[in-house]
Amino acid sequence: GENVEQHPSTLSVQEGDSAVIKCTYSDSASNYFPWYKQELGKRPQLIIDIRSNVGEKKDQRIAVTLNKTAKHFSLHITETQPEDSAVYFCAAFSGSARQLTFGSGTQLTVLP
Amino acid sequence: DAGVIQSPRHEVTEMGQEVTLRCKPISGHDYLFWYRQTMMRGLELLIYFNNNVPIDDSGMPEDRFSAKMPNASFSTLKIQPSEPRDSAVYFCASSNRDVNQPQHFGDGTRLSIL
Repeated sequence: GENVEQHPSTLSVQEGDSAVIKCTYSDSASNYFPWYKQELGKRPQLIIDIRSNVGEKKDQRIAVTLNKTAKHFSLHITETQPEDSAVYFCAAFSGSARQLTFGSGTQLTVLP
Repeated sequence: DAGVIQSPRHEVTEMGQEVTLRCKPISGHDYLFWYRQTMMRGLELLIYFNNNVPIDDSGMPEDRFSAKMPNASFSTLKIQPSEPRDSAVYFCASSNRDVNQPQHFGDGTRLSIL
């Protein structure tokens, strides 16, 4: 089945700096890659997603890049703010398993 | 749009008791997913339904777990008998048209088995 690895597990940045979280996947048939933000005690919320026919997608301060050859994708947050502090999960949809497999999460802390 | 609604939000019960978790998906969504979240194992898919039919239950840990979807607006996840290792946050999510479409999560049920 699909295996998704996410790095780093924790990340601290100064307010205003950029944050980058990276994920790798194993199933070359995977074609959908969402990112979720989960605040403490809350539900995971979809913040951005990308499909395999696109290399990059941007939504205001958030962008995601996908390298299908290397089988990795990354989340980029620019001009970070304290409210960006949360756990971020990447996920990959495996066409063979037909389910989302989640990474282990990154605890992002934005220091004021 | 009310979003995915789960109940109860918190459940504390003693080992051996039956536990029933409930979920109402977003109206019009034809896929419903049950996930379990723990510190050790992260977010795991337990089972998902399409048009009320279970499609993949390979993530259900054992026979103590069962899930039903009697109609398009209601699903249950049942644990009988419950064990302390079942303690986790259980999330329900729904999506429209396919599994690889945005999945919207409910607020979860925090389950503690004593």
